[in-house]
Amino acid sequence: NAGVTQTPKFQVLKTGQSMTLQCAQDMNHNSMYWYRQDPGMGLRLIYYSASEGTTDKGEVPNGYNVSRLNKREFSLRLESAAPSQTSVYFCASSESTQATSSQATQYFGPGTRLTVL
Amino acid sequence: DQQVKQNSPSLSVQEGRISILNCDYTNSMFDYFLWYKKYPAEGPTFLISISSIKDKNEDGRFTVFLNKSAKHLSLHIVPSQPGDSAVYFCAASDLTVLPIMEYGNKLVFGAGTILRVKS
Repeated sequence: NAGVTQTPKFQVLKTGQSMTLQCAQDMNHNSMYWYRQDPGMGLRLIYYSASEGTTDKGEVPNGYNVSRLNKREFSLRLESAAPSQTSVYFCASSESTQATSSQATQYFGPGTRLTVL
Repeated sequence: DQQVKQNSPSLSVQEGRISILNCDYTNSMFDYFLWYKKYPAEGPTFLISISSIKDKNEDGRFTVFLNKSAKHLSLHIVPSQPGDSAVYFCAASDLTVLPIMEYGNKLVFGAGTILRVKS
């Protein structure tokens, strides 16, 4: 049981390049999330998928797109990378079938460190 | 507008003593609160949580206290150990406003507090 996995671990892009960050979970969770972490700002929600087949914007969605490929996988795409997207990206998942506290707890992957030059 | 604030960027504590990390929130609709611990180059790991129907939750050395009237929560670690040195994030969620199966549950995070436990 690997939990939440993310690939790649590190990536360096030039401005204008595109790339897709991959995330998969093996906990049979309904909901998945993408966050970015910047120094002094905590984690901010980029996009989320409440359940398979749905996606929605979070706090900082500009410059990103997402795809919920199936129940396990949720990818984040940067179409034209900008230096402001240099950050550490975390994927998370939660069970979210009932509005109980245990089902709302999110579990995180190890992160992808992205640098845009 | 920061809905969840951790006003202390860092805290240094001697091994064996108590560590107290604080968190304030502004949104009175938040009803579920979590603490995450993060080591460098790793993802945040869930530590402990509390629902708004409680004012205290304990798990081993970790206790979270919630003061709803003050919109304040704190994490106590007793006794502190060098392995507790990490960044601690407070997070909050509103589980009541929308059906969770349709809308998931969005967490709002504080900026984090770096805890250093000295041996």
